[in-house]
Amino acid sequence: DQQVKQNSPSLSVQEGRISILNCDYTNSMFDYFLWYKKYPAEGPTFLISISSIKDKNEDGRFTVFLNKSAKHLSLHIVPSQPGDSAVYFCAASSILTGGGNKLTFGTGTQLKVEL
Amino acid sequence: DAGVIQSPRHEVTEMGQEVTLRCKPISGHDYLFWYRQTMMRGLELLIYFNNNVPIDDSGMPEDRFSAKMPNASFSTLKIQPSEPRDSAVYFCASRPGGFSGTDTQYFGPGTRLTVL
Repeated sequence: DQQVKQNSPSLSVQEGRISILNCDYTNSMFDYFLWYKKYPAEGPTFLISISSIKDKNEDGRFTVFLNKSAKHLSLHIVPSQPGDSAVYFCAASSILTGGGNKLTFGTGTQLKVEL
Repeated sequence: DAGVIQSPRHEVTEMGQEVTLRCKPISGHDYLFWYRQTMMRGLELLIYFNNNVPIDDSGMPEDRFSAKMPNASFSTLKIQPSEPRDSAVYFCASRPGGFSGTDTQYFGPGTRLTVL
C-alpha cells in the first residue's frame, strides 16, 4: 500500500518556465513533508520541507505548497533551469511513528528541463 | 567533508550467493539508515540504527536480509541467499542526533545490485 504517491513518473518543462511536481498521501497522521532531489549515480539530497502547521514554504526558486484537506502537496520550481533535471522524491513522516527516522517516500518524478 | 560512503558501487552476483553491502556514515552522526530503491515502490526504509543499536527493522523484507552495525563508523547489509527480485539500488543514509529542524538524512551514492 503506497502511502505517498507521485502519479507522474516524468515531467518535461522548458527552461525558464515553471515546473510543478505533485504528491498525494493517504496517511492523515503525516505531519512533516520533504522533497529530495536525485541525480543519476548519486544519492538523494534534501531540497525543501514543510510542517503540517504551514501551507507554504519558500526557499529561493523552490516553493512547497501543502493542502492538508486534500492530502496533497506540490513543489514549484520557478524559473526552471537545466540543472534542475533530476528525479524528485516526495517524503512524509509522522512524529507518532518515528518522526524523521521513518520517512515514507514516493516513487519519484523524473523532471527534464529542456533548453 | 566526506559524505556517506558505500561499497561496492555495483555488484553483480548469481542467485543463491551471499551479498554484503557496506556503509560508512558521516562522522558524528548518531543514526544510520538502509533503504532500497525500486521502480515500483520507490525508496523503502529497510532498517535504522541509533548509536549502533537496531531500532526498527520492520522494513526488512525477509529473513534472508540482515544488517549489523558493529561500531559507529561501519554498517553492513547482508542478503543470503540472494534472489533476482533483490535486484535494486541500496542506499545508506545517516543523520545527526537530536532535532535538526528538517530531519534531513544524508544519503550515500548507493550500491546497484543485480542478481542473475
